[in-house]
Amino acid sequence: QVQLVQSGAEVKKPGASVKVSCKVSGYTLTELSMHWVRQAPGKGLEWMGGFDPEDGETIYAQKFQGRVTMTEDTSTDTAYMELSSLRSEDTAVYYCATSSGSLDYWGQGTLVTVSS
Amino acid sequence: EIVLTQSPGTLSLSPGERATLSCRASQSVSSSYLAWYQQKPGQAPRLLIYGASSRATGIPDRFSGSGSGTDFTLTISRLEPEDFAVYYCQQYGSSPRITFGQGTRLEIK
Repeated sequence: QVQLVQSGAEVKKPGASVKVSCKVSGYTLTELSMHWVRQAPGKGLEWMGGFDPEDGETIYAQKFQGRVTMTEDTSTDTAYMELSSLRSEDTAVYYCATSSGSLDYWGQGTLVTVSS
Repeated sequence: EIVLTQSPGTLSLSPGERATLSCRASQSVSSSYLAWYQQKPGQAPRLLIYGASSRATGIPDRFSGSGSGTDFTLTISRLEPEDFAVYYCQQYGSSPRITFGQGTRLEIK
């Protein structure tokens, strides 16, 4: 059984960056394809990007290209999502989730608030 | 870009009734990569159905998925109180790799 535990809530000022972590247990990170999804308050789910095993690389949604970086530390089985140049519209809950096509296991979510 | 459109936006039903939720794609989606999720307030989404019709582990058999091509359906045969939530469909395929529908809110009538 895969478990994903994310880092705690963050408050950031516009223009800053945020880095959210996602610790994996039950499997090793190398056995999984990790993706990131966000949800603005009262809104739907928005895919940000993730590892594509077919291409062997991380792919990003066009909307976030140039502003998001997803990395992995296989020594600690922890995935990271860093979003830069934050603006108020980036206020959302950010989720990590493992993918086999469908998003099978989800972290509990990390609330990122962008406010001056 | 594949766009998923869910209908209705809100569905008002009573416990014990049957719920039928629709997900229509702007172009054909591989059935292998069509999934449904349930999300309750303050919780992460939970995978219900993958491969258009396969129930995820631990999902009750009152939940069923069907469809192919551009039209997919999630059916809840007999609503239980805990089923009232928001439901999303999702596809995995060509760029962008993953897209979600906008969601259907299932509320108690």
